Amino acid sequence: DAGVTQSPTHLIKTRGQQVTLRCSPKSGHDTVSWYQQALGQGPQFIFQYYEEEERQRGNFPDRFSGHQFPNYSSELNVNALLLGDSALYLCASSLGLANSDTQYFGPGTRLTVL
Amino acid sequence: AQSVAQPEDQVNVAEGNPLTVKCTYSVSGNPYLFWYVQYPNRGLQFLLKYITGDNLVKGSYGFEAEFNKSQTSFHLKKPSALVSDSALYFCAVSDDNYGQNFVFGPGTRLSVLP
Repeated sequence: DAGVTQSPTHLIKTRGQQVTLRCSPKSGHDTVSWYQQALGQGPQFIFQYYEEEERQRGNFPDRFSGHQFPNYSSELNVNALLLGDSALYLCASSLGLANSDTQYFGPGTRLTVL
Repeated sequence: AQSVAQPEDQVNVAEGNPLTVKCTYSVSGNPYLFWYVQYPNRGLQFLLKYITGDNLVKGSYGFEAEFNKSQTSFHLKKPSALVSDSALYFCAVSDDNYGQNFVFGPGTRLSVLP
């Protein structure tokens, strides 16, 4: 039973560039959430996708956008990268939108913006 | 809005001794509470959750947590710590309102000394 997978593992970009991160949910899961974890901090919720639509969004600017595909996999796009976007980006999957459902996390993508 | 506090940045305990990692929360509705563990350069691993019912919740690797509604706390405990338990621990909360916006605490670093 495959868990949540993310690619790439590491990424280095320069300010102003754009980046796309990818996530495949745990088998049987249909909901994907994205989090940003800055160094030394807890994860912060970016947004959540279900049925190919953004269902909830945290306090992140429009430079952060996403997409969910019919096979439930998801992408996170960040435009006009800033130094402060350097972080570990975590994808989590769950079954459905219930708040009580456990979210299972992938290993993350480490983004460094120079 | 939900919030989570983990009052201790660091907890040190000797191997074989009991451990406690503290968490307090604030939500508007009924709380759903989660504990996750993060090992270096890894994603978050689910340990246990409280949704409803028995206030004492048992989870993976011998961990348990006690929900205390009057003190709005959800402390993580283990009767006998192992060196391999050394990691970063995160408490998270959501509630029974629509949507799945998890809020994570800042994390507590647990060091188990041999």
